[in-house]
Amino acid sequence: DSGVTQTPKHLITATGQRVTLRCSPRSGDLSVYWYQQSLDQGLQFLIHYYNGEERAKGNILERFSAQQFPDLHSELNLSSLELGDSALYFCASSVGGAIYNEQFFGPGTRLTVL
Amino acid sequence: GQQLNQSPQSMFIQEGEDVSMNCTSSSIFNTWLWYKQDPGEGPVLLIALYKAGELTSNGRLTAQFGITRKDSFLNISASIPSDVGIYFCAGQLNYGGSQGNLIFGKGTKLSVKP
Repeated sequence: DSGVTQTPKHLITATGQRVTLRCSPRSGDLSVYWYQQSLDQGLQFLIHYYNGEERAKGNILERFSAQQFPDLHSELNLSSLELGDSALYFCASSVGGAIYNEQFFGPGTRLTVL
Repeated sequence: GQQLNQSPQSMFIQEGEDVSMNCTSSSIFNTWLWYKQDPGEGPVLLIALYKAGELTSNGRLTAQFGITRKDSFLNISASIPSDVGIYFCAGQLNYGGSQGNLIFGKGTKLSVKP
């Protein structure tokens, strides 16, 4: 158990819908990262928040957005869902936003878009 | 964009055998990380490498950060059944004290020889 929690574990929805994935980092960690894992693309970095502020953006679509709240939990919002958005979404956390901070991954949310 | 080439894509192991996998990149990285992912779970950090040429062990695992900073390998000695899973390499760039994105390889799937 990494100490990072993600809800829900599974999510099934239809194209065009909007969903929210939630992540609680390890106690004491200020950074939250979101990743998408699909069979063809592998693990792709989406976005990084540190202490409530966006730090870095990766391959995140404009239909996706995220935020980190004052209690440090984070939410990833996916809208206008397409079939190709079906994937595992992982959240990871680390102590800080500086170098050499090891990331610990949550168990993931499996999103299926029908 | 940056890509990591991880090989082999898959391999079969027999208990007691040594296993080797590697990652190469056309880009230079400041940090190399190796993760293992079991089915239905998030990646778990195995080894982190921070200096070119560094050789680090974690039990039966040994990993090295290539001198050119463009490659890394992971060795598993005397494999056991619980070594089965998917192993990912990840490279990270660090800019002026800020943590860069993690770029992941496509993974090496370790299975047991039938």
